[in-house]
Amino acid sequence: QVQLQESGPGLVKPSQTLSLTCTVSGGSISSGSYYWSWIRQPAGKGLEWIGRIYTSGSTNYNPSLKSRVTISVDTSKNQFSLKLSSVTAADTAVYYCARDTLYSNYYYYYYMDVWGKGTTVTVSS
Amino acid sequence: DIQMTQSPSSLSASVGDRVTITCRASQSISSYLNWYQQKPGKAPKLLIYAASSLQSGVPSRFSGSGSGTDFTLTISSLQPEDFATYYCQQSYSTQYSFGQGTKLEIK
Repeated sequence: QVQLQESGPGLVKPSQTLSLTCTVSGGSISSGSYYWSWIRQPAGKGLEWIGRIYTSGSTNYNPSLKSRVTISVDTSKNQFSLKLSSVTAADTAVYYCARDTLYSNYYYYYYMDVWGKGTTVTVSS
Repeated sequence: DIQMTQSPSSLSASVGDRVTITCRASQSISSYLNWYQQKPGKAPKLLIYAASSLQSGVPSRFSGSGSGTDFTLTISSLQPEDFATYYCQQSYSTQYSFGQGTKLEIK
């Protein structure tokens, strides 16, 4: 059974770059038709999709964050990563990684079926 | 950008009730609509994908319907473990977006 685990600093200073890694266990990050996504959730608020990556390196980003976000993949380590630059207090949130699975029945549907437990990142000096 | 709007934002109901949550997209998204359940302190859990397909392991009291711009999540008979927050999410665009959530509380 595939499991995801987020890791990275829990505290980041304003204007710096937030860096998180998601480690995939129980399966290869390269197997199957999967994208790998990042999602965040400020305390008491809703979910915000940040972006996703395919193992080929193809990415899609939330337009509102695109100028500050980079998602990358390291298939040799079975990991994918998030970098968010120039952070402010508004970037304080729980950050989740998730597997974005393809389902095809003539059309091609994606859904996020496996999630990490989330990691809390606070932006503060 | 595709905006997703859920209604209501919160809902009080009793065990055994039938509950319906609505999600509306700002443009047609065909059936590219997923539903998630989130409990406090936990990651979201996929319930329904492609508008009406039940994820493996999810109880059959959960069902989804709709296409185009209007979608519903129905819980046929609320159980105590169903009190949570529910989110819709569109995957029509490669730039995903979520609804703001519907918090289902015990009456």
